Parts: sequence; C-alpha cells; structure tokens
Amino acid sequence: GAVVSQHPSRVICKSGTSVKIECRSLDFQATTMFWYRQFPKQSLMLMATSNEGSKATYEQGVEKDKFLINHASLTLSTLTVTSAHPEDSSFYICSAGEEGVAYEQYFGPGTRLTVT
Amino acid sequence: AQKITQTQPGMFVQEKEAVTLDCTYDTSDPSYGLFWYKQPSSGEMIFLIYQGSYDQQNATEGRYSLNFQKARKSANLVISASQLGDSAMYFCIATDYKLSFGAGTTVTVRA
Repeated sequence: GAVVSQHPSRVICKSGTSVKIECRSLDFQATTMFWYRQFPKQSLMLMATSNEGSKATYEQGVEKDKFLINHASLTLSTLTVTSAHPEDSSFYICSAGEEGVAYEQYFGPGTRLTVT
Repeated sequence: AQKITQTQPGMFVQEKEAVTLDCTYDTSDPSYGLFWYKQPSSGEMIFLIYQGSYDQQNATEGRYSLNFQKARKSANLVISASQLGDSAMYFCIATDYKLSFGAGTTVTVRA
C-alpha cells in the first residue's frame, strides 16, 4: 500500500525558535496533503489543507503566520512552526491520498514536538 | 465537514470476546466513505477497514467487520476475538473530500 513518511519523528526545540516538519508520499503523488494536530487522548484536529503549487487552506482558528505550510512538489509538504512556544507542543500528523483513488487517505507516523 | 459521533469514550473488553464500537455520521452527500483507524500509544494511525457509501455489502477485514446501516447513518466497528494488542484508541472517520474525525474510543483489552 501507499506510504507516507514524516520527519522528524520527535523534535525538541527551545521557545522562540522555528521547527520544520516534512511529510512525504513515498510511492505516489499527492496534489493535496492534510496537516493535523492532536493533543493527548483527543481526536485529530485538521489544521490545514496543503495544495501543491498554491497556498494552503487553513481551518478557522489556525494562525497561518504561525504554521507555515509549503507544498513545493507532488511528494513533499512541509509544516514550519514559527517562533514556537510551549503551547505549540503537540503531536502533528499529515495525511495524503493517491490521485484518482477516491476517499483513500494514508497517514504519516506523526511528529511529536516538544517546546521547552 | 461532517459531524462524526462516537458515544463511547472508553471501553473494557475481556480477551477473546467481541466488542462493538459505535459511530454515527450526518452527511447529506450520497457519495462518501467511512474508515476505522486504530491508534496505539505509539501514535501511528493504522488502517483497519473501509466502507464506501455505494458498497452493497458490509466490509470485513479479518477480525474486523463494519456494521453499515445507511438509513440510520451508522457504521459500527465489530472486533471479534479481542487480543491484548487491540488495546488502543479507535477513530471513526468519514470522507467526502476532507476527513472528518470522531472523538475516538479507547479500548482496553483485559487478560
């Protein structure tokens, strides 16, 4: 089946710094990728829809200047948490679907971000 | 986005017994898909089963089966012969372009 990878799997950064998380579709092309955030014991919350070659679409309440998304190619989307603060500590997951294959989504393994 | 309702925040089940996890959805779109995913403590989302809105038969994948009742807009997951490794959080997810997530059900399998 299709595989989506994320890098890094864990990252610890200091408050005020920026951190980049990569999401790659390894064996298929994805025009659209999705970024989610998950707090402990809660469901995934959609943050934004990443569109290849165009601007991301952010969900209500998500700061676009805080969470920068770049979908530069059909296999790579990046999420950059800018000027991170401890409240940004969370589990971030991406998902992507194969073009022309309706409804199937493949999730990345997630990135655990800790801001100290 | 659709509203997905999982009414059971947590469940305990005895090893080797079956367990049913509830899920209801509210789309008015005739074309949609329903997934169940499992998320163990490691955090990875593991695909279990998929049901398309036009599928005539209920989906089955090994020990997992989906009780799809379209008129009631419910898509309950049945896990047969529970194993200790089934302890995890389970999400019901619907898609008609974006994914809509239920709140999840934490299943704990007891030996």
